[in-house]
Order: sequence, then C-alpha cells, then structure tokens
Amino acid sequence: EPEVTQTPSHQVTQMGQEVILRCVPISNHLYFYWYRQILGQKVEFLVSFYNNEISEKSEIFDDQFSVERPDGSNFTLKIRSTKLEDSAMYFCASRGTSGSYEQYFGPGTRLTVT
Amino acid sequence: AQSVSQHNHHVILSEAASLELGCNYSYGGTVNLFWYVQYPGQHLQLLLKYFSGDPLVKGIKGFEAEFIKSKFSFNLRKPSVQWSDTAEYFCAVVIRGNQGGKLIFGQGTELSVKP
Repeated sequence: EPEVTQTPSHQVTQMGQEVILRCVPISNHLYFYWYRQILGQKVEFLVSFYNNEISEKSEIFDDQFSVERPDGSNFTLKIRSTKLEDSAMYFCASRGTSGSYEQYFGPGTRLTVT
Repeated sequence: AQSVSQHNHHVILSEAASLELGCNYSYGGTVNLFWYVQYPGQHLQLLLKYFSGDPLVKGIKGFEAEFIKSKFSFNLRKPSVQWSDTAEYFCAVVIRGNQGGKLIFGQGTELSVKP
C-alpha cells in the first residue's frame, strides 16, 4: 500500500539555525499539507499546497516558514531561523481528488530546538 | 472560527468495556468528518470517515461513528474495547468547498485499556 514518508525522523538543531523537513507524498496525490503537534497539544494546520502554490496557510506559518516541491516527488518545509517554540512533531500529509477529502499522514519528524 | 471539541482528555477502560468518545464541531455549513488514531510511536491512521449517505459509518477494527447534524456531533463508539485499542484518538473536520481542504483537529483523547 502506498504511504507518505518523512525524513529525518528526529532532528535536533540550535536556535537560529535553518532546518529542512522532507516528505515524499503518495505519488498520484495532488494536495499536500504540513501540520504540527507541540507536545501535549492538538494537531495544528500549517499550510496546504496545490498546483505548485500555497492554497492556504495558518497564522503560525509566518515568514520564517516556506514550502517547496522541488521535483516531482519531494515536498519540503523549511524553517529559516528556528525558535525554541518551533519544537514539535511535524506531520506531512497528502490527498487525492476524492470527494471525501481523506488525507494520508506520514510518520512525522520530531524537531527539537535547543 | 471553526473548531472541534473532544470532551474527554483521557479515558481509562477495562477490556471488554464499551467506548464512546465525544466530538462536536462548530460550523454551520457542510463538513466531512474523520476519526484518526495514533498508536504509541506510530503515525496518524484513518479509523473512519463520513462525507455523505448513511450517518452511521463503520470503520476498521470494529469502530463506528454516528453523525448527528442537528447536534454538530460525530461520536466514536466501540462495543467492546481491547488492550490493543490503547492509543490517542483525534476527531477532525474538513469544511466542504474549502480550497485547501485543511483538517481541523480536536485536542485528542487518550484511551488506556487495562487488560
């Protein structure tokens, strides 16, 4: 069964450093998402991406964040200058065009900012 | 703003007990509804979904949920839980017609099943 993959599984970085989180969505999907979950809190939407552009972003997704689909398979989330409060689990998801809007999630990247 | 509320933060049950987890959403229009499960150390997996038709939907592993539009609710049920159901359960909503189709999640309910 096709699945969404994410790398790395765990990333430790120092405050102020740039990080890139990588995702490979399911191959025939057209919609891509990033969510994050701070420890003990709910899963929060960050950004959605369709047709090579952002279709929606949350208030969290400020100028420090960017997304890119550099080739036909990868979907990346970049945080330009990490802050302590960026420490969280980051989930990538993708979906096809079915009317159910069902999203398939990757295993997540745990980002720890020290 | 649209939101999803899950009534129980942590539920502890013995095996074979019945389960009902509450979920309510705040949005007056048409929505698609989901329950996701996250087993310890694993990623979010879809348990079941509703987008049209019979408001009583059945999912994997014996779970079901009922959409009651008048109550804005989508409660998850299972008649007899097993130890392997220990996990965190998330209710989520997508607003139909929203271009991006983002999921709005509830805060999650941690279920612990004692053998």
